Amino acid sequence: GQNIDQPTEMTATEGAIVQINCTYQTSGFNGLFWYQQHAGEAPTFLSYNVLDGLEEKGRFSSFLSRSKGYSYLLLKELQMKDSASYLCAVRGSLKAAGNKLTFGGGTRVLVKP
Amino acid sequence: DGGITQSPKYLFRKEGQNVTLSCEQNLNHDAMYWYRQDPGQGLRLIYYSQIVNDFQKGDIAEGYSVSREKKESFPLTVTSAQKNPTAFYLCASSVGASVSKNTEAFFGQGTRLTVV
Repeated sequence: GQNIDQPTEMTATEGAIVQINCTYQTSGFNGLFWYQQHAGEAPTFLSYNVLDGLEEKGRFSSFLSRSKGYSYLLLKELQMKDSASYLCAVRGSLKAAGNKLTFGGGTRVLVKP
Repeated sequence: DGGITQSPKYLFRKEGQNVTLSCEQNLNHDAMYWYRQDPGQGLRLIYYSQIVNDFQKGDIAEGYSVSREKKESFPLTVTSAQKNPTAFYLCASSVGASVSKNTEAFFGQGTRLTVV
């Protein structure tokens, strides 16, 4: 099966950096995704990692280590609008999990002035 | 414009009634997913489909049913067997994971179901 763990909540100050960790166990691996979700809205895609290393996209970066079953999302130069939940999701392999896409419980980030 | 559409946005159901939530996409995606989200929680997978006329149970399929008769459509029925159906339901679609790197899931705007 697939199991994904991430912290429930984090607080940071405007302009600072926050790192959200995600650990996973999965039946095969075919990519890890990070999504942002504001309250009452649908999730929106932030980043995708399938190979080890760092992917950078503006203020957001995501890192993956497949051997450790570990990823993090780094948010730099925090803005008030970054207050949201951040969801880690893993896709299992086609053979082992039928490309099943499983989400973690989400990390609620609160940005304070 | 291409996208994924869920309807209705809000739905009220009486206890003991079945109700069907609609999900349509015109993105030509093979894979479609249904998730349930409770307040302050993450997304839990109900059912998913990788191809027309085929679907698999997710982690919380009991009390739900789906069909995938057309590539564009993946309706979810919440049956009376679902004991606690009040939740936010999200539908998503993506290209097949074997096709390309860009396999992120795109979400509809969700349906908020309330049992009254």
